[in-house]
Amino acid sequence: QKEVEQNSGPLSVPEGAIASLNCTYSDRGSQSFFWYRQYSGKSPELIMFIYSNGDKEDGRFTAQLNKASQYVSLLIRDSQPSDSATYLCAVPLGGSYIPTFGRGTSLIVHP
Amino acid sequence: GAGVSQSPSNKVTEKGKDVELRCDPISGHTALYWYRQSLGQGLEFLIYFQGNSAPDKSGLPSDRFSAERTGGSVSTLTIQRTQQEDSAVYLCASSLGQGNSPLHFGNGTRLTVT
Repeated sequence: QKEVEQNSGPLSVPEGAIASLNCTYSDRGSQSFFWYRQYSGKSPELIMFIYSNGDKEDGRFTAQLNKASQYVSLLIRDSQPSDSATYLCAVPLGGSYIPTFGRGTSLIVHP
Repeated sequence: GAGVSQSPSNKVTEKGKDVELRCDPISGHTALYWYRQSLGQGLEFLIYFQGNSAPDKSGLPSDRFSAERTGGSVSTLTIQRTQQEDSAVYLCASSLGQGNSPLHFGNGTRLTVT
């Protein structure tokens, strides 16, 4: 079964805290990993992508990849109410160029 | 530059009618994807086009669904004899077509079948 799994949440964090969003995937051979943000009623927008094991930082966002554990995470530092959205993990599985999306984690950042 | 453009943004149709949804990808993007998202659900893959290769239709839910891509650019998704369960947001995305290229989504077409 080809799967990308995320906790649906909601994950609620106070403003200024670190939000940690997690994703596991079924294909050990997957090579690329994407995080998208989707506001209610809007289409997904790319936040970050990561290809290599370890951390990748972009502003307040850090993606962490552990291929051995088939695990990718997104950390959001200094969370803001404007970060409140659903975060989608996407991974091409089985050698495909077609990303399989997780069901998303709802993040709520409260003032 | 211009992003992925989809039209119409909203479509209300009666059960049994045919509908056509249009997608104009980012210029230079060779890969084009259709997904759909039902209310409160994840993204469901429908069909994938890459250059002049045969499309990957493995996600189409029934033979009422078809899609074409003319001249390697604009794509049309057609749903024949629409059913209420077809109601969803249909999202088009394009990418550079290399294995690691991220997808860029259009604003979607919200289809409501009454």
